[in-house]
Amino acid sequence: SQQGEEDPQALSIQEGENATMNCSYKTSINNLQWYRQNSGGGLVHLILIRSNEREKHSGRLRVTLDTSKKSSSLLITASRAADTASYFCATPTARAGSYQLTFGKGTKLSVIP
Amino acid sequence: ETGVTQTPRHLVMGMTNKKSLKCEQHLGHNAMYWYKQSAKKPLELMFVYSLEERVENNSVPSRFSPECPNSSHLFLHLHTLQPEDSALYLCASSTRTSVRGSNEQFFGPGTRLTVL
Repeated sequence: SQQGEEDPQALSIQEGENATMNCSYKTSINNLQWYRQNSGGGLVHLILIRSNEREKHSGRLRVTLDTSKKSSSLLITASRAADTASYFCATPTARAGSYQLTFGKGTKLSVIP
Repeated sequence: ETGVTQTPRHLVMGMTNKKSLKCEQHLGHNAMYWYKQSAKKPLELMFVYSLEERVENNSVPSRFSPECPNSSHLFLHLHTLQPEDSALYLCASSTRTSVRGSNEQFFGPGTRLTVL
């Protein structure tokens, strides 16, 4: 079953508005990561939040983590057209003695100028 | 050149062709990954190499054959593919996977593969 699931699948907002994306996961984690993917390109790491952290900021990004609800949210404030991309959460999963990242299906964000 | 590079960026091949995808990382990492990204499906982990040893083979069909000759290079050899193998193939690298999953992965731009 999918470890991370983003919600909503697609989000369309006007430039200047805030965008909020949510991620739910199933098993215990020691961190959760958010990545961004421009259309048809590679993924870029945005931010990592550890299980003992509740909130983390990076520029216009704000990530929260609620381990009791097994959920995280990514907030992009004062959005810009350049923020148009797909956003993925990823959680480490133990496999065969090592940790691999499991990605959700992503939220496709469109910021309209 | 910096980061993670992938060649070719686009590839069209017939079902009987043999081709290879190449990935190179210039970050000093010692773990490398192949992912497959199909439309409307989550990113699927295919293979993981850590210190040039394959540590993960995620039930991938044998028509996909990885090769990691050193910690900077990763190949994906393709033969007798099917149309459903058409997808974006992404390479990534990181520090060793055994560091309790806290390592960030760095991705290449991907190879868009079309199988006719």
